[in-house]
Amino acid sequence: DTEVTQTPKHLVMGMTNKKSLKCEQHMGHRAMYWYKQKAKKPPELMFVYSYEKLSINESVPSRFSPECPNSSLLNLHLHALQPEDSALYLCASSQPREGLNTGELFFGEGSRLTVL
Amino acid sequence: KQEVTQIPAALSVPEGENLVLNCSFTDSAIYNLQWFRQDPGKGLTSLLLIQSSQREQTSGRLNASLDKSSGRSTLYIAASQPGDSATYLCAVGYNNNDMRFGAGTRLTVKP
Repeated sequence: DTEVTQTPKHLVMGMTNKKSLKCEQHMGHRAMYWYKQKAKKPPELMFVYSYEKLSINESVPSRFSPECPNSSLLNLHLHALQPEDSALYLCASSQPREGLNTGELFFGEGSRLTVL
Repeated sequence: KQEVTQIPAALSVPEGENLVLNCSFTDSAIYNLQWFRQDPGKGLTSLLLIQSSQREQTSGRLNASLDKSSGRSTLYIAASQPGDSATYLCAVGYNNNDMRFGAGTRLTVKP
């Protein structure tokens, strides 16, 4: 099983809403990632969890709040978003090599977020 | 700051041609480099992973090479097909599970 599952596939929310994006993997990977991708742009790294601890936060605004409840799950909590936050949000996982060195990345299909 | 550059930004070729996509990176202290394919509005599909100690990897019609000292990787696609049309992204892996992407090459293979 080399799947990373993201839900929901599509989400429309207002600027005052609170919602969450969810990501799940059952490959036993111990690193999980959130990327943001705008149209015709490459994925931009947002957060990395290594062994369930936040290891990279790319100065993401606090209206995005990541959570890693266990080694299989990764959430992204959304609150008071802006229309410019509309994008494809991609989750990925990898198995670190030799400690914290990056392993092969596997991506989910993404959650397409529209903020009205 | 690690920078990853892909050239060309877009490429259009007739079916059957062999082609090369380029990826360069400024920080050579990499652990691996991964090539992905992305179809419009979809997630990323892993094509090839090269560890920093390797020079190349092959999968079917795809061959990826890595020259760590010069900060370059190439993806060679043999006998291109219309189904190969997609955006190809390279991503460079650094320590602390840090993975950075280039802007991609948008490939169109014309029948």
